[in-house]
Amino acid sequence: GAVVSQHPSRVICKSGTSVKIECRSLDFQATTMFWYRQFPKKSLMLMATSNEGSKATYEQGVEKDKFLINHASLTLSTLTVTSAHPEDSSFYICSARVPSGRGSYFGPGTRLLVL
Amino acid sequence: GENVEQHPSTLSVQEGDSAVIKCTYSDSASNYFPWYKQELGKGSQLIIDIRSNVGEKKDQRIAVTLNKTAKHFSLHITETQPEDSAVYFCAASRGNTPLVFGKGTRLSVIA
Repeated sequence: GAVVSQHPSRVICKSGTSVKIECRSLDFQATTMFWYRQFPKKSLMLMATSNEGSKATYEQGVEKDKFLINHASLTLSTLTVTSAHPEDSSFYICSARVPSGRGSYFGPGTRLLVL
Repeated sequence: GENVEQHPSTLSVQEGDSAVIKCTYSDSASNYFPWYKQELGKGSQLIIDIRSNVGEKKDQRIAVTLNKTAKHFSLHITETQPEDSAVYFCAASRGNTPLVFGKGTRLSVIA
């Protein structure tokens, strides 16, 4: 079964609003989670690394004030897209790193559509 | 929906040998197959991808093959080096749908 969940699976919002996406590790505690953005017909782009209890590390070119990441517990990380614009429409995928460095599990993704 | 199976879950090879990781997928409409490498403590990075209109793609020591009829694709790493040690993920999608990932393969290259 799924070990990483994302909520919601899809969301439609108006331009200018904020959207929060949750990523949960279901069977394990994840001190590190990663957030990716998937562009249409393209591969994943790593946006940021989320560490429990500390600030997220953002990749170059990713606006940290626009994509707010909070890793408040060992099983939950949230990505908030603030003041969303149509160009933010995309799939957002998280992954949670398994303890002991045994790899990561990916979430099913969240489809965001900004009108 | 799409289901991706990846094998093996762990793989150890001697430095200089080749490594092969295989994935199968269930959705015959999938047309995009990327491979990602995740090094310890880092996020996953795309290393190579292939689309359904080609059967093989190569980039230096890394190659990917695709068999659409059998619905499987494989990652081949030749002349492996210790820095190739990582977890590798395969994925599949229709291009306008979320990627579905395999569970990963931990590759260890022994010097």
